[in-house]
Amino acid sequence: SAVISQKPSRDICQRGTSLTIQCQVDSQVTMMFWYRQQPGQSLTLIATANQGSEATYESGFVIDKFPISRPNLTFSTLTVSNMSPEDSSIYLCSVQPQGTDTQYFGPGTRLTVL
Amino acid sequence: GENVEQHPSTLSVQEGDSAVIKCTYSDSASNYFPWYKQELGKRPQLIIDIRSNVGEKKDQRIAVTLNKTAKHFSLHITETQPEDSAVYFCAASPGYSSASKIIFGSGTRLSIRP
Repeated sequence: SAVISQKPSRDICQRGTSLTIQCQVDSQVTMMFWYRQQPGQSLTLIATANQGSEATYESGFVIDKFPISRPNLTFSTLTVSNMSPEDSSIYLCSVQPQGTDTQYFGPGTRLTVL
Repeated sequence: GENVEQHPSTLSVQEGDSAVIKCTYSDSASNYFPWYKQELGKRPQLIIDIRSNVGEKKDQRIAVTLNKTAKHFSLHITETQPEDSAVYFCAASPGYSSASKIIFGSGTRLSIRP
């Protein structure tokens, strides 16, 4: 399995500001994903981070609110823009090594918006 | 799109007894079914998975069964131990040869009574 790290591990932010979350993996992977997990809830896919092209967003998530970068095969960022308290959640990245079905998750970023 | 339903939402069993969690899915194109365990404050961890060409898979005290005709799959944990207490998520995906998107069930909070 891949070793995945996320920064920051947690943050407390003021409404109206933006936060960029980083995801780093120790090997090159084709597929990277960003999920949101609200307290006590399941995981909801935000978008697939595509290397070299724009991310593919799921229904209910838009690029202006959650811009994503994927500059290479080991790194991705998710920005939560113009935050409101409803954005308080855990944000997780996951990776899917090439030729496999399995996704492995990063440790998550716990975001609190005041 | 795919929809995964999971039952029960909470489950409490006596230590040493068995626990069963059931899921159904809607998309007949799904052919990969992972199960994740999430302990409090931790990332989801893959515990077992099954592909549609297999009806059952076992790993020590954990087993998963799949009925592709009925679109049902289940997780069985035998001889439960306190460390089995966690939230368990089932999921379904068309697999890496397709869109690779994994859709998660709503989760089951399993508690093991001493």
